[in-house]
Amino acid sequence: KQEVTQIPAALSVPEGENLVLNCSFTDSAIYNLQWFRQDPGKGLTSLLLIQSSQREQTSGRLNASLDKSSGRSTLYIAASQPGDSATYLCALIQGAQKLVFGQGTRLTINP
Amino acid sequence: EAGVAQSPRYKIIEKRQSVAFWCNPISGHATLYWYQQILGQGPKLLIQFQNNGVVDDSQLPKDRFSAERLKGVDSTLKIQPAKLEDSAVYLCASRKPGANVLTFGAGSRLTVL
Repeated sequence: KQEVTQIPAALSVPEGENLVLNCSFTDSAIYNLQWFRQDPGKGLTSLLLIQSSQREQTSGRLNASLDKSSGRSTLYIAASQPGDSATYLCALIQGAQKLVFGQGTRLTINP
Repeated sequence: EAGVAQSPRYKIIEKRQSVAFWCNPISGHATLYWYQQILGQGPKLLIQFQNNGVVDDSQLPKDRFSAERLKGVDSTLKIQPAKLEDSAVYLCASRKPGANVLTFGAGSRLTVL
């Protein structure tokens, strides 16, 4: 059974810092990995999707990497802003487009 | 394009009462998912539909939860009777054929007292 772990559970940093969120998984037989953002009281917004054959994806200040051999993914946020404050979730996509989520990292960017 | 619509957004009930949530996916999205997200945890898949057929309901507590998607479009998720541990946000998502990305609705927050 696939287990997805996100560390840390919560992170608070000053505005402008670069930061890394971590996601680890136990079964490397995945199709894709996806990073989501969740704002309080809202649904999930997809940030980046990494195909299993890819090593990383970039969108603006966000960069996500995938290392299947070690069972790890990271989400790098450059020059953090208060608007980046949210919960970030990683999810593995396995058979039949089934997503298995981590528990999330709650990020707070302090002005 | 319109997003995934869910209602009600909030519901408070007493334990042992029943509740129903409704989801209208994006037009043309054949696959529909219901997820349960307990506070502080990641979403957990309850049931996945492909058109009006069930693909995966292995984590649905079938003694109290039921879901249907009769015409292959909108869907309802019902809980009867509710327990305190059912307090959670119920998220609906949909996906169009061939796509890798799911689109999520805003969710329905249930509080069971």
